[in-house]
Amino acid sequence: DAGITQSPRYKITETGRQVTLMCHQTWSHSYMFWYRQDLGHGLRLIYYSAAADITDKGEVPDGYVVSRSKTENFPLTLESATRSQTSVYFCASTEDGTYEQYFGPGTRLTVT
Amino acid sequence: GNSVTQMEGPVTLSEEAFLTINCTYTATGYPSLFWYVQYPGEGLQLLLKATKADDKGSNKGFEATYRKETTSFHLEKGSVQVSDSAVYFCALSERGYSTLTFGKGTMLLVSP
Repeated sequence: DAGITQSPRYKITETGRQVTLMCHQTWSHSYMFWYRQDLGHGLRLIYYSAAADITDKGEVPDGYVVSRSKTENFPLTLESATRSQTSVYFCASTEDGTYEQYFGPGTRLTVT
Repeated sequence: GNSVTQMEGPVTLSEEAFLTINCTYTATGYPSLFWYVQYPGEGLQLLLKATKADDKGSNKGFEATYRKETTSFHLEKGSVQVSDSAVYFCALSERGYSTLTFGKGTMLLVSP
């Protein structure tokens, strides 16, 4: 299917566990982004990537790790999950220069 | 730094009422401005955009005009429908940067 997909859609994990959220896009967009959405905060940028092997921190990067070995994939890893990382996570992509981002459906993560 | 301020919600309207959601911004340069919409359980979708002062973005009956003098980008619709119930996000992107700065979102609830 064309577009941007995220998996899993729902995840429950325990404090201290490692969790990886997957993001895949079929457009070959240069840029990819990870956001978290929390009540009262709107969307906050965690990390972004301008191309394969190029990543940069956003507003709230602490506790998260990203990699981008292939243009189409941009996984987000919580190395040791904490309750404060309970959130809805969105992945997005854009072609360089357009500024218009396309969002995935989101992953709802609960850390118990 | 850049920031976007939206009116707090929820905004509650009856069907066919006029809608205004206020959005103001601060930016160091000349940003592009966006409105995104998030329907329940979904990711964000671009609703409309404007890339320079006095531009009007429009889509699905929604409009917003880029006002540089008042640093505003208010969203309007002449007659809302129940299906417009969603969360609306105002966002900006500085020229030369592909990252977006979002407002906190405004929930719109339209009753029959």
